[in-house]
Amino acid sequence: AQKITQTQPGMFVQEKEAVTLDCTYDTSDPSYGLFWYKQPSSGEMIFLIYQGSYDQQNATEGRYSLNFQKARKSANLVISASQLGDSAMYFCAMREVSGGSNYKLTFGKGTLLTVNP
Amino acid sequence: DGGITQSPKYLFRKEGQNVTLSCEQNLNHDAMYWYRQDPGQGLRLIYYSHIVNDFQKGDIAEGYSVSREKKESFPLTVTSAQKNPTAFYLCASSINANDDGYTFGSGTRLTVV
Repeated sequence: AQKITQTQPGMFVQEKEAVTLDCTYDTSDPSYGLFWYKQPSSGEMIFLIYQGSYDQQNATEGRYSLNFQKARKSANLVISASQLGDSAMYFCAMREVSGGSNYKLTFGKGTLLTVNP
Repeated sequence: DGGITQSPKYLFRKEGQNVTLSCEQNLNHDAMYWYRQDPGQGLRLIYYSHIVNDFQKGDIAEGYSVSREKKESFPLTVTSAQKNPTAFYLCASSINANDDGYTFGSGTRLTVV
């Protein structure tokens, strides 16, 4: 079973509008972390935002916010006031303990976001 | 500036040849990782190393080998046993195994010709 599911292969949004990218996860580990990364066409992975499983409040970083619904195991990324430069691939990832002490970061398949002018 | 350097950016390999991808970091990070990215597949973990002279297999280690003789270097060898090596390869590092912040390199695109 997939640990990270991103159900939207592609999304379109008009410039200056908000967009939500979906992410659901599966883990039995009570302590885990959730991440969103942006990958422009150049290939590098850019860290956007992090949410810990015990964090009481949703994480925010500038125009990025994470809508964390623990009971539903979802961690959707919200981008407000979209800009043309936001066009990229977006990956949701989860960090959980593997084998007792070894941590692994597992990625979803990504969502390609296109911002239209 | 500190960061991770992957070289070369583009690499072409003939079938049956081994090829080594370089990953160097000057962040003084203990942990380093290799991921493979295929279209529609996201990133999959090949190997990781949490400390010098030690490394562990990830989810898709078959056909690959690594070494970690120096803290700053984590080269990945794609062997002839890897049946479908054409992919984008990303190297990452973190302060230690428990650190949440991964720093990624800019990747190497390997093509088998």
